Amino acid sequence: KQEVTQIPAALSVPEGENLVLNCSFTDSAIYNLQWFRQDPGKGLTSLLLIQSSQREQTSGRLNASLDKSSGRSTLYIAASQPGDSATYLCAAHNYGQNFVFGPGTRLSVLP
Amino acid sequence: DAGITQSPRYKITETGRQVTLMCHQTWSHSYMFWYRQDLGHGLRLIYYSAAADITDKGEVPDGYVVSRSKTENFPLTLESATRSQTSVYFCASSPGTSGLPQETQYFGPGTRLLVL
Repeated sequence: KQEVTQIPAALSVPEGENLVLNCSFTDSAIYNLQWFRQDPGKGLTSLLLIQSSQREQTSGRLNASLDKSSGRSTLYIAASQPGDSATYLCAAHNYGQNFVFGPGTRLSVLP
Repeated sequence: DAGITQSPRYKITETGRQVTLMCHQTWSHSYMFWYRQDLGHGLRLIYYSAAADITDKGEVPDGYVVSRSKTENFPLTLESATRSQTSVYFCASSPGTSGLPQETQYFGPGTRLLVL
């Protein structure tokens, strides 16, 4: 059974810093991995989707990488802004199974 | 409104009552999902549907019933609500164009349910 963990659980950084969020999964036979953002009291918004054949995806200041052999994905946020404050979740999708979500990393970017 | 909507957004009910949470999407996506989000457990899949009249259990289906008579609607019913079903419920949809559910999922705003 796939298990997904995220470290750290919470992170607080000053504005302008580059930061890395980590996602680990136990079953490397994934179809793809997705990163989401969740604002307080809101639903999830998809940020990046990495297919199993890809090593990374980029969108603006966000870059997500995938290393299936080590069971890890990282989300890199460049030049962080207060508006980036949210909870970031990763979800692993295995063949024949549904999404398995990690517990999330709560990010606070201080002005 | 285009997109995926949920109603009600907030609901308070009592133990033993039947509650139905509604989910509606305007994209004609094949797949629809129901999740619950709880502190300490994260997001867990309750039920999902690959198409109208096709539903299947997820990780935590006990105490819940779903139906999908139309592609755009996927209601979730708690037949006899219990306090342990107090949670935030999210509906999501996915195009499923490849025949697989593992594509980008689009989430509704959630329903906060409190069972007293």
